[in-house]
Amino acid sequence: QVQLVESGGDLVKPGGSLRLSCAAAGFTYSDSYMTWVRQAPGKGLEWLSYISGDSSDIDYADSVKGRFTISRDNAKNSLYLQMNSLRVEDTAVYYCSRDPRRLPHWGQGTLVTVSS
Amino acid sequence: DVVMTQSPLSLPVTLGQPASISCRSSQTLVYSDGNIFVNWFQQTPGQSPRRLIYKVSNRDSGVPDRFSGSGSGTDFTLKISSVEAEDVGVYYCMQGTHLPFTFGQGTRLEIE
Repeated sequence: QVQLVESGGDLVKPGGSLRLSCAAAGFTYSDSYMTWVRQAPGKGLEWLSYISGDSSDIDYADSVKGRFTISRDNAKNSLYLQMNSLRVEDTAVYYCSRDPRRLPHWGQGTLVTVSS
Repeated sequence: DVVMTQSPLSLPVTLGQPASISCRSSQTLVYSDGNIFVNWFQQTPGQSPRRLIYKVSNRDSGVPDRFSGSGSGTDFTLKISSVEAEDVGVYYCMQGTHLPFTFGQGTRLEIE
């Protein structure tokens, strides 16, 4: 079955950087679009970014464009989110998923806290 | 950006009674291939979101048949035919047609 396991969340100061990872299994990873979604504490869901299987097609929400970079390593079945210039409002649980238009499967999420 | 407006935001329901959640989009959601990428998710307390319905009305494997989705144009609905205790949580609609993909604000279902 499909498994998505996020990691890398931590407490970081405003202006700092963090790299999240997502380990995928149970489907043909290299053929799959992948995506990141986040949820601030007590708030709703926000789509952040997607990447195509060959990394040729990438897009971001305006809220993270220029600060976050999505990437993948198909040899390792892994997805990444490099987060720079972090702000307090980036505090959230970050989820990875496949198929950004349909989001059929979700990981357990990883918590990023941005605070001084 | 497409705005997805859910109503109600809070939904108290008696066990065994039906429930309905509305989701209205600010634009029509037909993709270039003819698909309508409207999905519904359930998030129970302390858990990750779980998809219930995809492309308006297709129920995911393992989802009880008391859940159904419908709609067209800019109006979409999630219905629960007979609410059970395990249905407590927050329900989100989402559109995956137009970038950036967007979610509704969420509807909190509680048992009266």
